[in-house]
Amino acid sequence: GQQVMQIPQYQHVQEGEDFTTYCNSSTTLSNIQWYKQRPGGHPVFLIQLVKSGEVKKQKRLTFQFGEAKKNSSLHITATQTTDVGTYFCAGLGSNDYKLSFGAGTTVTVRA
Amino acid sequence: DAGVTQSPTHLIKTRGQHVTLRCSPISGHKSVSWYQQVLGQGPQFIFQYYEKEERGRGNFPDRFSARQFPNYSSELNVNALLLGDSALYLCASRLDLNTEAFFGQGTRLTVV
Repeated sequence: GQQVMQIPQYQHVQEGEDFTTYCNSSTTLSNIQWYKQRPGGHPVFLIQLVKSGEVKKQKRLTFQFGEAKKNSSLHITATQTTDVGTYFCAGLGSNDYKLSFGAGTTVTVRA
Repeated sequence: DAGVTQSPTHLIKTRGQHVTLRCSPISGHKSVSWYQQVLGQGPQFIFQYYEKEERGRGNFPDRFSARQFPNYSSELNVNALLLGDSALYLCASRLDLNTEAFFGQGTRLTVV
């Protein structure tokens, strides 16, 4: 079945630095979605990428979908304390429309 | 607009008991999915329903079952509870099968 892998599991960042989290699927995806979950909360939708090679930006966040529609990345510039949380990628299967989540990247920020 | 509502928010059960978790999706959303999230891990897919039909099942034992009602609300049932079933159970509402998911606050289940 479809598997979504995400690295790194933890990211400790100095405030103001940049970092990237990566997501890879074992199968070709219909789309890739990114979510953020704050401690004690539930996942909140950030963005959806549909087209091969698509790049979208939300302020300091840049999301990319690979050419083969099997991998994605999230790059955050000038990290702030408000970026703390766990970022999940979720791949939508091409045939079954099952949304499968990666294990997440938990981000902590040093002021 | 009401978001996704789940009940109860917290639940403590004893091993071997049965539990029913409930979810009301966003009005107009046709798809409801259930996920299990263990602390420190990503949500694991349990079931997906679309237009009241099951459209996918994850790698969970037959003790887990679900259904979607005519008003699109959904129930997740778990029989013969095990300690390992302790987790946050999340309900996700989607307008359609290829759109983004909106999650409820979840039900925190503790099995003792």
